Amino acid sequence: EIVMTQSPGTVPASPGEGVTLSCSASQSISNKVAWYQQKPGQAPRLLIHGASTRATGIPVRFSGSGSGTEFTLTISSLQPEDFVVYYCQHYNMWPPWTFGQGTKVEVK
Amino acid sequence: QVQLQESGPGLVKPSQTLSLTCIVSGVSMSSGSYSWTWIRQQPGKGPEWIGYIRYSRDTYYNPSLDSRVTMSMDTSHNQFSVSLSSVTAADTAVYFCARTQSTGDNWFDPWGQGILVTVSS
Repeated sequence: EIVMTQSPGTVPASPGEGVTLSCSASQSISNKVAWYQQKPGQAPRLLIHGASTRATGIPVRFSGSGSGTEFTLTISSLQPEDFVVYYCQHYNMWPPWTFGQGTKVEVK
Repeated sequence: QVQLQESGPGLVKPSQTLSLTCIVSGVSMSSGSYSWTWIRQQPGKGPEWIGYIRYSRDTYYNPSLDSRVTMSMDTSHNQFSVSLSSVTAADTAVYFCARTQSTGDNWFDPWGQGILVTVSS
């Protein structure tokens, strides 16, 4: 099973600032990574797939990069609704497909 | 617009079987273009993939749950289901259904709103 490790656990930031969230895979997974945003009481929402392709309707302030074992999600200018939790997920080869433990972006 | 909606009991007794159904709207499951998956999220944790079912009825389960999970599909009613047997308190979670691709690009989109299932006597 591939383990996805997200860091940091919490990111303090201010509205308008940019942040970068990291996700590391326990083995190489090419670009088979997706990122999700989860607001309290809601289901996760797909932001990025293929490590860097924004899903339909996702604002351009969200961008993803990386390949192999290291991946990042960057939010260029935080909006009030962005202060929530983000998860990475791998979908390389065969299942099980696993998620990271999440990074919470909180108001500084 | 594709939408998924979970349904089922919110409370299950220990050792019993948890059964949930996901009704799909906005796309025909008969098209064969997608696969259908279940994911759960225990309180305060990241999501956990449970398994998925293809149009062919082939199923793939998380090895950690494999011996207790069964998935099925009813294309005539555009819905799919999951059963988890011998539940314990550790199975208390929000259960989500979601769509994934049939081509191997297995990200999940969209998701249902989720249903909280509590295992307690």
